[in-house]
Amino acid sequence: DAKTTQPPSMDCAEGRAANLPCNHSTISGNEYVYWYRQIHSQGPQYIIHGLKNNETNEMASLIITEDRKSSTLILPHATLRDTAVYYCIVWPGTASKLTFGTGTRLQVTL
Amino acid sequence: GAVVSQHPSWVICKSGTSVKIECRSLDFQATTMFWYRQFPKQSLMLMATSNEGSKATYEQGVEKDKFLINHASLTLSTLTVTSAHPEDSSFYICSPLPYSGTGVKNYEQYFGPGTRLTVT
Repeated sequence: DAKTTQPPSMDCAEGRAANLPCNHSTISGNEYVYWYRQIHSQGPQYIIHGLKNNETNEMASLIITEDRKSSTLILPHATLRDTAVYYCIVWPGTASKLTFGTGTRLQVTL
Repeated sequence: GAVVSQHPSWVICKSGTSVKIECRSLDFQATTMFWYRQFPKQSLMLMATSNEGSKATYEQGVEKDKFLINHASLTLSTLTVTSAHPEDSSFYICSPLPYSGTGVKNYEQYFGPGTRLTVT
């Protein structure tokens, strides 16, 4: 049972902002929104996470709607190296299984 | 911190042989280890969860006698694919869960770089 819904693929021009949406309408109060990405043939890489406030780090920004039913990951200036599959995951945190959905394949082009 | 290594990074073996994959947490201790596998163009699927010193718990549909997991220490876990067949060809990824208090961020789950297994 998928807990998140993401578009299967997106394109973005290099240097532009990439906005990746995620729906998680059944999120529980104790679940965070996590984003990971997986570059081809590598292990997943943590990007960012949040509970209800918007978050920003050196990699990305995370915007969570007030009702927490959806979120958007923003890569402010996408580069070719950001081409990857991006996974949005709702998760209560460590000590429980982290389940991956199908993700969004982001293709950054020149 | 939070460096995870896997060995080998890729392996090709003949059908019927066994392959051992090692996962090490290099700068933290992990009481729990998750093993995932990923078939081409698919997402990661959790195979099993192991706790140091205990037997692993396998997800539905994963054969425990075929995928042997040993988690004998807080920094090393191994996955052995026994009597491998071509359908076992996949990308295997470990994910150690940091032991609380080891100084690494405990809100983030770390992943190894993966091992690509090809069975001919």
